[in-house]
Amino acid sequence: QQQVKQSPQSLIVQKGGISIINCAYENTAFDYFPWYQQFPGKGPALLIAIRPDVSEKKEGRFTISFNKSAKQFSLHIMDSQPGDSATYFCAASLNNNAGNMLTFGGGTRLMVKP
Amino acid sequence: ETGVTQSPTHLIKTRGQQVTLRCSSQSGHNTVSWYQQALGQGPQFIFQYYREEENGRGNFPPRFSGLQFPNYSSELNVNALELDDSALYLCASSSMGARYNEQFFGPGTRLTVL
Repeated sequence: QQQVKQSPQSLIVQKGGISIINCAYENTAFDYFPWYQQFPGKGPALLIAIRPDVSEKKEGRFTISFNKSAKQFSLHIMDSQPGDSATYFCAASLNNNAGNMLTFGGGTRLMVKP
Repeated sequence: ETGVTQSPTHLIKTRGQQVTLRCSSQSGHNTVSWYQQALGQGPQFIFQYYREEENGRGNFPPRFSGLQFPNYSSELNVNALELDDSALYLCASSSMGARYNEQFFGPGTRLTVL
C-alpha cells in the first residue's frame, strides 16, 4: 500500500521559473514531512522539512506548503536553476520511540532548461 | 563533522549468495536505518537499529538482517540473494530523542545480483 503519492513523475521547467511538486498522504498520524533531493549516483540529501503545526515553511528558494485537512503538501522551487535538476522525493514519518521510518513518494525527476 | 559513509560502493553477486553491506553513522548519531531503492523508485524502509537492537522493520523477509555495533556503525546482511534484490542500498543515521529526528543518508551501495 503506497501511503505517500507524489506527482508529477517528471517535470521540465525553464530557468527562472517555478517548480511545483505535490504529495498526498493517507496516514493522519504522520507528523514529520521532509523533502529530499537526489542526484544520480548519490544518496538523498535532506532539503527542507515541515511539521503539521505550520502551514508553510520557507528556506531560501525552497518552500513547503502544508494542508493538513486535505492531507497534502507541496514543494515550490522559486527561480529554478539548471543546478536544481535532480530527483525530488517527499516523505512522511511517525516520530515515536518505535522508530521513525520514512515512507517515501515515488519521486519527481526535475529538469531545468537553461 | 563526518557524514554517513557506506562500503562497498558497488557489488556484484550471483543468485543464492550472501552479502554484507557496511555503514558508519554521522558523528553524534546513535540510530541507523537501512533503505532499499530500486531503480526509478523511492527508497523503501528495511529496518532501523538503536542501542544495538532492531527498532522497527518494514515489509522485508527475514533473510534481510542487520547488526549495530557499540560505535553505532551498522551492517546489513542479505542471505539467499534473489534477482529482485538488485538495488541501491541506503543507510541513514539520526539521533533518537532529538527534536526532529532528521535522517541523513549515505551515498549508498549499488548491489547487482546476476
